[in-house]
Amino acid sequence: DTVLTQSPGTLSLSPGESATLSCRASQDVTNNYLAWYQQRPGQAPRLLMYAASTRATGISDKFSGSGSGTEFTLTISRLEPEDFGVYYCQQYVTSPLTFGGGTKVEMK
Amino acid sequence: QVHLVQSGAEVKKPGASVKVSCKASGYSFTAYSMHWVRQAPGQGPEWMGRINPSNGGTRYAEKFLDRVTLTRDTSITTVYMELTNLKSDDTAVYYCARDGAPRWLQNWFDPWGQGTLVTVSS
Repeated sequence: DTVLTQSPGTLSLSPGESATLSCRASQDVTNNYLAWYQQRPGQAPRLLMYAASTRATGISDKFSGSGSGTEFTLTISRLEPEDFGVYYCQQYVTSPLTFGGGTKVEMK
Repeated sequence: QVHLVQSGAEVKKPGASVKVSCKASGYSFTAYSMHWVRQAPGQGPEWMGRINPSNGGTRYAEKFLDRVTLTRDTSITTVYMELTNLKSDDTAVYYCARDGAPRWLQNWFDPWGQGTLVTVSS
């Protein structure tokens, strides 16, 4: 299985600051087949990004994705209260499809 | 607007089975595969499998091969996930999630159902 390791585990930031989240894969994620999701407390995950850097429909351009190979990054600029939550990466190159353990972005 | 509405919470004893439904609306039901993903308390999501509502074809994660069955009823645009021989570590929120694009499988998920909590306890 492709293991995804997300870091840091928790980010404590203030509104207006930027967040940089990392996702490292145990093997090459070919074609950048990597997605990012946001999960607010008590809610289902919501797709933010696919193909590493393509924003999903309706997602603000404050979210940006980058990376290739085994290293991927999600950047969130100008944090607002609704951006605080847990973020997951997911690879869809190999079966089983796998998710990272998540990065919690919390308000400082 | 696309909606995925799941059945309500369940409490089961170890060894029992559970069947969760997911009713889809707002799009062409047979054009998109449907995935099932579960999330144990405090954990990341875990993919269980997918079904092609057009022909009923399925693909399961190896971990669940002998315990999970995905089915669909096209007349009521509903997919089902049945998990047998439940154990305490099957306690989780179970989500249906639509595949990302029609006809050409993408294997990312948008949108997700609201989730169904399944609690396994003696």
